[in-house]
This record gives sequence, C-alpha cells and structure tokens, in this order.
Amino acid sequence: NAGVTQTPKFRVLKTGQSMTLLCAQDMNHEYMYWYRQDPGMGLRLIHYSVGEGTTAKGEVPDGYNVSRLKKQNFLLGLESAAPSQTSVYFCASSYTSGGNTGELFFGEGSRLTVL
Amino acid sequence: EDKVVQSPLSLVVHEGDTVTLNCSYEVTNFRSLLWYKQEKKAPTFLFMLTSSGIEKKSGRLSSILDKKELFSILNITATQTGDSAVYLCASQVFRFKNYGGSQGNLIFGKGTKLSVKP
Repeated sequence: NAGVTQTPKFRVLKTGQSMTLLCAQDMNHEYMYWYRQDPGMGLRLIHYSVGEGTTAKGEVPDGYNVSRLKKQNFLLGLESAAPSQTSVYFCASSYTSGGNTGELFFGEGSRLTVL
Repeated sequence: EDKVVQSPLSLVVHEGDTVTLNCSYEVTNFRSLLWYKQEKKAPTFLFMLTSSGIEKKSGRLSSILDKKELFSILNITATQTGDSAVYLCASQVFRFKNYGGSQGNLIFGKGTKLSVKP
C-alpha cells in the first residue's frame, strides 16, 4: 500500500508565487492534517480536516488555505509565498473508529524553499 | 498555552550504551502521550501511553508515563547505529469537536536528536 503520498517532494518558489501541495491517502482515513517542520521548532499544525468537505485551522494557519473535496485528498495552498514559508511540510492522516487512537501516518514530506 | 518540552535536544552515544530521553508536558485536556521516531523523512509511530506507570516495550525500546509529574521517558538499551534519529514526543489533547465527538490533536515537542557512533 502507498499509505500517505505527497507531491511534489521538492519545490523552489519566488516570493509572491502561488503553489499547491497535494496529499493523498489510500487508507480510507477520515482525518487529515498538514504540519510544517522547521529547525528547532518541532512539528506545528497548519490546518486539518475531520472529513470530506470540512477543514479547520491549526496553530499556524496564516498564509495557507486548504481543501478536502475528496476523502482521500487534502490540498495545501500558498496564495502568495513568503520566505517565512520555507519549510518542510508533512501531511498526515489518522483513523477514526469511535475515538482517535492518536497514531498519525505521515507522508515523506515536501521541502519548499521560497526565495 | 499548551507545551511539550523534550530534553536533551541532542545526544551522542556509542553503540551498546543505554539512553534515556525525556518529555515533559503542560497541556489542558490531556488524552495521551505519543513517541515517534524520525529518520530522514516521515516520523514513524513508536508508542502511545495513556496510563501512568505502565511500561510499553518494543524490543530494545521502552517507555513509561507519569501523569502526576507530567512527564514520560523513552529508554533505548544496547543502542545501535540504526537508532540514530530524531525522537519526537507529542501530547494528544482534546482540542476540537466535530460530528458529536471530541477528537484529539497532537502537540509536538522539538525533538531529541540521537546520534549513535560505532
């Protein structure tokens, strides 16, 4: 099984450009998340979704938008990229079966550099 | 503000050594404490702890939670070079509700970078 797949894995943008990161999972998970990971900062939640058609803000949502039009896909958009958004982005998903077990399944990450 | 603090931030040991990684947390609506291992790419799940004093074990790794003192430790015995990684601790909290139920969210610490030298 593929698990959680992120595309692209690497991208270089100029300030002000837009782009979309795609996350796809084949485990039929209800919950999906976008995190960013910066040196010395750990993993911080950007946005999340608890089901198809629903999204909500996490800890650091500013400058990002998301959409969950299909259950298996969770898109993260940057409308006008800024150097502060240079980071490694991780998508994750999790089960729901009467309660969240807490275990997240992560993608391999997307390294984004904004010049 | 919810926070999770890991120590040390980095650690260098030699193969065969035993290491203890620490994780303390101050969160509201605590649900569980999780450990992940991150090598070059995606974090992978190690343990989830919900009850105090009950050790979870997997091979040379073990972990325990103290809900009174609000911390957890991850032990690795007889370390190997393959144990070199960043170890992430996360506290799961009840943070958001949807569809009639409360669901947890994870608050991560900054990680401990473990380097095991041959």
